[in-house]
Amino acid sequence: ILNVEQSPQSLHVQEGDSTNFTCSFPSSNFYALHWYRWETAKSPEALFVMTLNGDEKKKGRISATLNTKEGYSYLYIKGSQPEDSATYLCARNTGNQFYFGTGTSLTVIP
Amino acid sequence: NAGVTQTPKFQVLKTGQSMTLQCAQDMNHEYMSWYRQDPGMGLRLIHYSVGAGITDQGEVPNGYNVSRSTTEDFPLRLLSAAPSQTSVYFCASSLKTGTIYGYTFGSGTRLTVV
Repeated sequence: ILNVEQSPQSLHVQEGDSTNFTCSFPSSNFYALHWYRWETAKSPEALFVMTLNGDEKKKGRISATLNTKEGYSYLYIKGSQPEDSATYLCARNTGNQFYFGTGTSLTVIP
Repeated sequence: NAGVTQTPKFQVLKTGQSMTLQCAQDMNHEYMSWYRQDPGMGLRLIHYSVGAGITDQGEVPNGYNVSRSTTEDFPLRLLSAAPSQTSVYFCASSLKTGTIYGYTFGSGTRLTVV
């Protein structure tokens, strides 16, 4: 019931391509959804916090949308660059606890 | 401003040994937590604390103890290490408890139990 699912598990794109991936979560008792970016050999870094249905957040070439009624969020990367290569995690926050997905591993090929 | 500091970065233990993973933050964050990361499993919450003197169990608490005597420190104790506790451990903190506050993560501790 608390599971957060992410797809695809991994993705390879060419430099300059735009891409997107999905985070699915239970739609009941929704509080907030967080996106994190996790580069190899580093710690996860916060990207977005989304709380309202229809929320859209943007940071540079990365943006995210939220649909709480159907229980999904999309992360979009426009014009992918090699430095975007990382694992992107989403997490459902219930107030005291985060429930993380297993992430989407993105590799951008120069 | 060091953020969240975890020590050690790497550790090898023998089955049955005990040890403490240290976590300290200098951001005056109320909320601190410990996660373990295993292949194909994602980050799973072990224990968390909403303030000094207050701790609670997460998803996978068995075999671990925590305490929060100060706002800054949140050590994780392995009482009797088992091979199943081989994992990468992350400490994370946030300013306050609540849905809008994101985490600041430590750099992780890679633990191997043989």
